[in-house]
Amino acid sequence: DADVTQTPRNRITKTGKRIMLECSQTKGHDRMYWYRQDPGLGLRLIYYSFDVKDINKGEISDGYSVSRQAQAKFSLSLESAIPNQTALYFCATSDSNRRQASSYEQYFGPGTRLTVT
Amino acid sequence: AQKVTQAQTEISVVEKEDVTLDCVYETRDTTYYLFWYKQPPSGELVFLIRRNSFDEQNEISGRYSWNFQKSTSSFNFTITASQVVDSAVYFCALGKSGSARQLTFGSGTQLTVLP
Repeated sequence: DADVTQTPRNRITKTGKRIMLECSQTKGHDRMYWYRQDPGLGLRLIYYSFDVKDINKGEISDGYSVSRQAQAKFSLSLESAIPNQTALYFCATSDSNRRQASSYEQYFGPGTRLTVT
Repeated sequence: AQKVTQAQTEISVVEKEDVTLDCVYETRDTTYYLFWYKQPPSGELVFLIRRNSFDEQNEISGRYSWNFQKSTSSFNFTITASQVVDSAVYFCALGKSGSARQLTFGSGTQLTVLP
């Protein structure tokens, strides 16, 4: 089984709808991240969480919210989806308890392709 | 601010050719970490390598090699004797020092290896 899973894998929704993307991990890592990938722009950080009680905004948090329901679960919500939120969304994890250099390594889920029409 | 530049948007080579993917970074940190990730057509992101800023030794892993040069702020990735299965988008990333452990990604290079 995959260490980092994302649901759904694909989603088409309409403008104005609320949508939630979910991420679960079995790696036992404390840190979790949400990124979006757009063609030609690479990955950009939306939110990250150090643990259940510590959530931080990333580079492009406007229009998004997150919830860390447990150490293993981190969900991303679009309260009112708009077409320019059409993108590939990735969840990632890392382990801050590892030796410093290794703690930077992030492990990614398979991605969720979201289309907002 | 941190920045990663992958100037090559797309590269196309014929199988068995060698190919180098360029990565140039900007940071004010004295300690930092550099990464390469591979994104095959299936879409997942696969971790390839991490390099620490204080270790400029080049690294070779099979057909892959990495050339880290602090003097030019570059961390280039070479695939020797390329294969069709190497076709993917390759991302270079820079890790910011400090508790956040954030990564800044380049825009990626689409590598196509033709049979």
